[in-house]
Amino acid sequence: ETGVTQTPRHLVMGMTNKKSLKCEQHLGHNAMYWYKQSAKKPLELMFVYNFKEQTENNSVPSRFSPECPNSSHLFLHLHTLQPEDSALYLCASSQGTLAGVGETQYFGPGTRLLVL
Amino acid sequence: AQTVTQSQPEMSVQEAETVTLSCTYDTSENNYYLFWYKQPPSRQMILVIRQEAYKQQNATENRFSVNFQKAAKSFSLKISDSQLGDTAMYFCAFMKLYSGAGSYQLTFGKGTKLSVIP
Repeated sequence: ETGVTQTPRHLVMGMTNKKSLKCEQHLGHNAMYWYKQSAKKPLELMFVYNFKEQTENNSVPSRFSPECPNSSHLFLHLHTLQPEDSALYLCASSQGTLAGVGETQYFGPGTRLLVL
Repeated sequence: AQTVTQSQPEMSVQEAETVTLSCTYDTSENNYYLFWYKQPPSRQMILVIRQEAYKQQNATENRFSVNFQKAAKSFSLKISDSQLGDTAMYFCAFMKLYSGAGSYQLTFGKGTKLSVIP
């Protein structure tokens, strides 16, 4: 459907578990993003990577740990989560340039996370 | 900080009719981009339309068009000839232009749930 895929699509985990979310983009982009989408709230930007370097961390708790091994892959490692972390986690990518132009972000289908 | 407000949590429209979704934003920036994204029940966020603030002409994309009023900081989306497949959450988003950094943050509104009725 789009060039951004996410796995798994659904995840249920306990508060003591460790799990990872994976995102892959096939668009040749250089910037990748993690967003959190909770009910009744706007999408919240969590992390931004540009050319594999983290450029933004929006005060995200350390129980969320991102990893970007290359420009095509982005992971979100989860550890000791809380029930309030249950949400839809969306990955996005964009061209990522050094020029001062606006860029369209392309989203993956998301991972629906439930923390028990 | 930028804020984006969508004042209509839910709307409905009869199939084949026209509907307008409202969006206002607050910023002190002069150069920026505005977007409308659509998120159908399948959850894939899809870009609908994009507007550059420096362009006076309103963007159009097939049945979708915007009414961009820069002075009023208003950016509404008009959907003509509504189809059942238009049923989705619609998000308005703002992007400030950075110089040099290369990665650009989107600020989203809370969304409008649109239902197209047969």
